[in-house]
Amino acid sequence: EPEVTQTPSHQVTQMGQEVILRCVPISNHLYFYWYRQILGQKVEFLVSFYNNEISEKSEIFDDQFSVERPDGSNFTLKIRSTKLEDSAMYFCASRGDWTTGELFFGEGSRLTVL
Amino acid sequence: AQSVTQPDIHITVSEGASLELRCNYSYGATPYLFWYVQSPGQGLQLLLKYFSGDTLVQGIKGFEAEFKRSQSSFNLRKPSVHWSDAAEYFCAVGARGGADGLTFGKGTHLIIQP
Repeated sequence: EPEVTQTPSHQVTQMGQEVILRCVPISNHLYFYWYRQILGQKVEFLVSFYNNEISEKSEIFDDQFSVERPDGSNFTLKIRSTKLEDSAMYFCASRGDWTTGELFFGEGSRLTVL
Repeated sequence: AQSVTQPDIHITVSEGASLELRCNYSYGATPYLFWYVQSPGQGLQLLLKYFSGDTLVQGIKGFEAEFKRSQSSFNLRKPSVHWSDAAEYFCAVGARGGADGLTFGKGTHLIIQP
């Protein structure tokens, strides 16, 4: 069964460092998403991406964040200068088409900022 | 703006007992509705979804949910829980069409007593 894969599964970084989280969505999907879950809290929407551009972004997704689809398979989330409060689990998701709302989630990348 | 309310932060049930997890949503049109389950340290797994048609939907692992438009609810049920059902359960609402992602509730932590 096709699945969304994310790397790394866990990354530890120093405050102020740049981090790139990588995702390989399901191959024929068109819509891509990043969500964040701070430990013990709910899953929060960060950004959606379609047709090589951002469709929607939340207040959390400030100038420190960027997304890119550098080739036909990868979808990346970059945090330019990490802060302590960026420590969270980051989930990538993809969706096949606009007629169905189901998102397929990856296993997540846990980011720890020290 | 759409929102999801899961009024129960924690629920404890005995193994073999029935379960109902509550979910209320606020949305301007007919939404897509989802229940996801998250085991500790894991990603989000789709349990079931409602798009249209029969308001009682069946999912994996013996779960079902009923969409009640008049009550703006989409409660999750299971007739007999197993110890392996202990997890975090998230209700989510999504728009029909477009690139919009899902809005999640805060989750309900399910504890199973032997």
